[in-house]
Amino acid sequence: DIVMTQSPVSLPVTPGEPASISCRSSQSLLYSNGYNYLDWYVQKPGQSPQLLIYLGSNRASGVPDRFSGSGSGTDFSLKISRVEAEDVGVYYCMQALETPQTFGQGTRLEIK
Amino acid sequence: VQMVQSGAEVKEPGASVKVSCQASGYTFTHFVIGWVRQAPGQGLEWMGYISTYNGNTDYAQNLRGRITMSRDTSKNTAYMELRNLKSDDTAMYYCARGHEDGDYSYAYWGQGTLVTVSS
Repeated sequence: DIVMTQSPVSLPVTPGEPASISCRSSQSLLYSNGYNYLDWYVQKPGQSPQLLIYLGSNRASGVPDRFSGSGSGTDFSLKISRVEAEDVGVYYCMQALETPQTFGQGTRLEIK
Repeated sequence: VQMVQSGAEVKEPGASVKVSCQASGYTFTHFVIGWVRQAPGQGLEWMGYISTYNGNTDYAQNLRGRITMSRDTSKNTAYMELRNLKSDDTAMYYCARGHEDGDYSYAYWGQGTLVTVSS
């Protein structure tokens, strides 16, 4: 199985400041079609997870442009250019390259 | 697009549970439906998915033999049945629909169904 490792585990951020979460996979998520099969999800308190970024760098519908995904192969990151209070939650990366699909352990973003 | 799941369940160890996920707002057979669960205070665990087009399934290895995913295209509904329940199956269970551009990226999620296994 592909192991997904996120860092940090906890991320306190001041509103208006940037934030970055790292995700590393145990094997490359770059497929022969040129796409990286890496998604980012956020689970806000008391809610279902929601898709933020798919195929490494594509924002899902309705996701603000302050969120961006980058990386290739085994190293990926999610960046928030200016954190807002509504961004509080747990962020997960997930590989969609092969089954079993696997998630990182999550990064809890909190507001300072 | 909406994914509406059935209500909370309380089951005894050894029993079975069947959770439903009714989809609306799109053509049901055009997208896979995945199932993900979350134990209390824990992270997300992929359980498997079903092709709503032909019924093909792929399950997590640790659940094979106890899990069945199915669908009823006449009702636009997917089902997840888990048998021989154990206490560590206590979790919130989510269904989620695949994305238009990435079949196995989950764009739309149900509200979750809490399954509690307790004697």
